[in-house]
Amino acid sequence: GQNIDQPTEMTATEGAIVQINCTYQTSGFNGLFWYQQHAGEAPTFLSYNVLDGLEEKGRFSSFLSRSKGYSYLLLKELQMKDSASYLCAVGLSYNTDKLIFGTGTRLQVFP
Amino acid sequence: EAGVAQSPRYKIIEKRQSVAFWCNPISGHATLYWYQQILGQGPKLLIQFQNNGVVDDSQLPKDRFSAERLKGVDSTLKIQPAKLEDSAVYLCASSTGTGGLEQYFGPGTRLTVT
Repeated sequence: GQNIDQPTEMTATEGAIVQINCTYQTSGFNGLFWYQQHAGEAPTFLSYNVLDGLEEKGRFSSFLSRSKGYSYLLLKELQMKDSASYLCAVGLSYNTDKLIFGTGTRLQVFP
Repeated sequence: EAGVAQSPRYKIIEKRQSVAFWCNPISGHATLYWYQQILGQGPKLLIQFQNNGVVDDSQLPKDRFSAERLKGVDSTLKIQPAKLEDSAVYLCASSTGTGGLEQYFGPGTRLTVT
């Protein structure tokens, strides 16, 4: 079976740093994706990790440990516009174009 | 580059009625996906096309849902008859189809079944 876990909700303060964790157990693995989804809008791609380690892209970084089935998304210098849901998704190796999404973490940033 | 287009954006129907959604993917994208996203949940894949062939429809409720991809470009998703639990946002996405690359999502169709 496929299982992806991430916290349902998180809150943080503007300017702070927040880490959103994701653990997964899937039959096959071909990369870990993070998507951002603002309320009422479509998901947009943030990052992709296929090898262990940290990928940095501006204020956002994503980490992957394949042996632990674990990833996190790190958001620095939080801004109000970062209030959104963050979706963790696993690419499955037997069908490299298929993604399994977690339920998403709703992040609220307060001033 | 134009993004993924979907229509309509909103639809309200009564249970047991039928409804159809349309999607036009990014030009040149071989792979097209239809997802169902229920409020508070992540997107769930309903069907995946590679060009005009079905790659995965394992989670498509085939007794009421159907989908086709005409000439490997546009796609339609149909529900007949609709149930209350079909109320959700239906997202269409496309990718180049070479694996390990991001999917581009359309704005979605919000369906309300009353």
